[in-house]
Amino acid sequence: RKEVEQDPGPFNVPEGATVAFNCTYSNSASQSFFWYRQDCRKEPKLLMSVYSSGNEDGRFTAQLNRASQYISLLIRDSKLSDSATYLCVVIRGSQGNLIFGKGTKLSVKP
Amino acid sequence: EAGVAQSPRYKIIEKRQSVAFWCNPISGHATLYWYQQILGQGPKLLIQFQNNGVVDDSQLPKDRFSAERLKGVDSTLKIQPAKLEDSAVYLCASSSKGGGGNQETQYFGPGTRLLVL
Repeated sequence: RKEVEQDPGPFNVPEGATVAFNCTYSNSASQSFFWYRQDCRKEPKLLMSVYSSGNEDGRFTAQLNRASQYISLLIRDSKLSDSATYLCVVIRGSQGNLIFGKGTKLSVKP
Repeated sequence: EAGVAQSPRYKIIEKRQSVAFWCNPISGHATLYWYQQILGQGPKLLIQFQNNGVVDDSQLPKDRFSAERLKGVDSTLKIQPAKLEDSAVYLCASSSKGGGGNQETQYFGPGTRLLVL
C-alpha cells in the first residue's frame, strides 16, 4: 500500500462547479499535511497547509481527520485557472521529508 | 528574490551514458533536496542535504546515483550509467530549515527533464 493515496482522477468539471479531492495516508506518525499544486510541465508549488481544525483560503478549504488518516481539499466556484494536478503531501520523520501522493488532475472547462 | 535555479532544463542521453544536473538553491537556504518525478507520479525524495552534509539518502540508488554539495550552496546530482527507467524530471528544492517540527516551506526549481534512449 502506498503511503499517500489520492483519488486517481482526472476530474473534468465545468466552470463554477465545486470539486473535492480526497487523500489517505498510512503512517499514523505523520506530522504535517499540505496540498501542493503542479501545473503542466511546471514545478510543484505549495497551495495550502492542512490543519486539524480545517482551514480556508478564499475558494479553497482543506480538512484533516487524524483518526481516519484522511485529508481533503474542496474547491468552490472553480475557475479555468484551477486546472492543474493537486498533490497531497505528508511529512513524517525527524527530517521532515515530504511524501507526495501521485496527484489528482483537475480540468476545468468553460 | 531569485528562486531555485536548475540546469540544464532538458537532457537526452543514451542508456549507459553519464549525466549531471546542477542546482543553485535560494540564497541562504540551508537545506537542499533532490527529487525524482516519473511521469504520472508524485515527486520522490532522492537525497536531502543540510548545509554540506547528507541528512537522508535512503532512497538514492547509490550504485548509479551520486550527489554532492561541497560548499553547502549549490549541488550536483549525477547518474552513471543511466538506465531507461531513469527517464524523469529531476527537481531540486530548498528550504531555510530542515526537519523537526517547525517545517519550512520547500521551494522547487523548474526541474531538469531527462530522457534516456
